[in-house]
Amino acid sequence: DVKVTQSSRYLVKRTGEKVFLECVQDMDHENMFWYRQDPGLGLRLIYFSYDVKMKEKGDIPEGYSVSREKKERFSLILESASTNQTSMYLCASSLSLAGGPDTQYFGPGTRLTVL
Amino acid sequence: GQQLNQSPQSMFIQEGEDVSMNCTSSSIFNTWLWYKQDPGEGPVLLIALYKAGELTSNGRLTAQFGITRKDSFLNISASIPSDVGIYFCAGLQGGSEKLVFGKGTKLTVNP
Repeated sequence: DVKVTQSSRYLVKRTGEKVFLECVQDMDHENMFWYRQDPGLGLRLIYFSYDVKMKEKGDIPEGYSVSREKKERFSLILESASTNQTSMYLCASSLSLAGGPDTQYFGPGTRLTVL
Repeated sequence: GQQLNQSPQSMFIQEGEDVSMNCTSSSIFNTWLWYKQDPGEGPVLLIALYKAGELTSNGRLTAQFGITRKDSFLNISASIPSDVGIYFCAGLQGGSEKLVFGKGTKLTVNP
């Protein structure tokens, strides 16, 4: 079974703090994704990575950065947390078959509250 | 970003009833995925569909990839209380690694 784990289930930070969210997958997947999920807005893609040290902006990258130094690990960084970044953050991974059949698997989520 | 049209937005049903929900798009998709999300948890993959016309079952769940490749539906038969949750459809277009999501169907099952 594919396993995607996230470092924290719940996190509370203060405005202006630097926040790191970690995601690890154990299936040797090429692609990894960070989403945020908010009521009424659904899932929105922040960043994704299709290879080590490679990254692409998603739909809402502002205020975030990412790091992928190892294939199995993808980190989301909030350089200076703000209250409007309070949200549920979901990590996902997929195998990547260059246009072929693919499936994304999600982690359990991190509920971040910024005070 | 792009979104799929998922309906209904919410459903309130009695235990034992069958449920049907669907997703449509004006664009063609190569892959359709159905997820279930429990409160405070990440989405869990239920069914993946890769070919137009494909009909796939997973226990009491059945999903179909529409023949036009612009829609998909999910049926749940003989619902039980643990079916409660939010069901999402998601699609992948050719040449893209990025999923396009529906907004979800919130299912409530009354015992």
